[in-house]
Amino acid sequence: GENVEQHPSTLSVQEGDSAVIKCTYSDSASNYFPWYKQELGKRPQLIIDIRSNVGEKKDQRIAVTLNKTAKHFSLHITETQPEDSAVYFCAATPPSGNTPLVFGKGTRLSVIA
Amino acid sequence: KAGVTQTPRYLIKTRGQQVTLSCSPISGHRSVSWYQQTPGQGLQFLFEYFSETQRNKGNFPGRFSGRQFSNSRSEMNVSTLELGDSALYLCASSSTGGFQETQYFGPGTRLLVL
Repeated sequence: GENVEQHPSTLSVQEGDSAVIKCTYSDSASNYFPWYKQELGKRPQLIIDIRSNVGEKKDQRIAVTLNKTAKHFSLHITETQPEDSAVYFCAATPPSGNTPLVFGKGTRLSVIA
Repeated sequence: KAGVTQTPRYLIKTRGQQVTLSCSPISGHRSVSWYQQTPGQGLQFLFEYFSETQRNKGNFPGRFSGRQFSNSRSEMNVSTLELGDSALYLCASSSTGGFQETQYFGPGTRLLVL
């Protein structure tokens, strides 16, 4: 089955700097890769996703890139702000749509003002 | 629309007891998934229900079970609780049940087993 590894487990950046979180997956059939953000004491929420027919997707300060050959995808946050501090989870699932998401173990991002 | 709700929000149990957690999905959503979240382990999939049928099951022992009612509300039950069952239990709903659509999470039930 699918296995998703996420690095780093913790990340501290200065406000205004960029943050990058990387995930690798094992199942070459996986084609959907969402990212969820979980603020302290709150529920996870989808912030961006990408499908394997696209190499990059951007939404304001957030972008996700996908390298199908290397089987890895990354979350990029530019101009970080204190409200970006949270735990970020990547996930992957194959095309059937009925196979559950496999999540990475999360990255705790701290943005220092 | 109201978001996903879970009750209770907090529970303290002792080893050997059993517990039932409840999840009410967003109105119109037919799929409910359950996850166990522990520090350092991320979100681990327990099971998914769609139209009252368990469609997927994760790699958890049989002590973990669930069901879904005709109104899409779901319950999960953990019998013979162990210390290692202490975790945040999250449910998520989606409209048509595919995992390639947005999963809307509830606030979770934090279970502490003493």
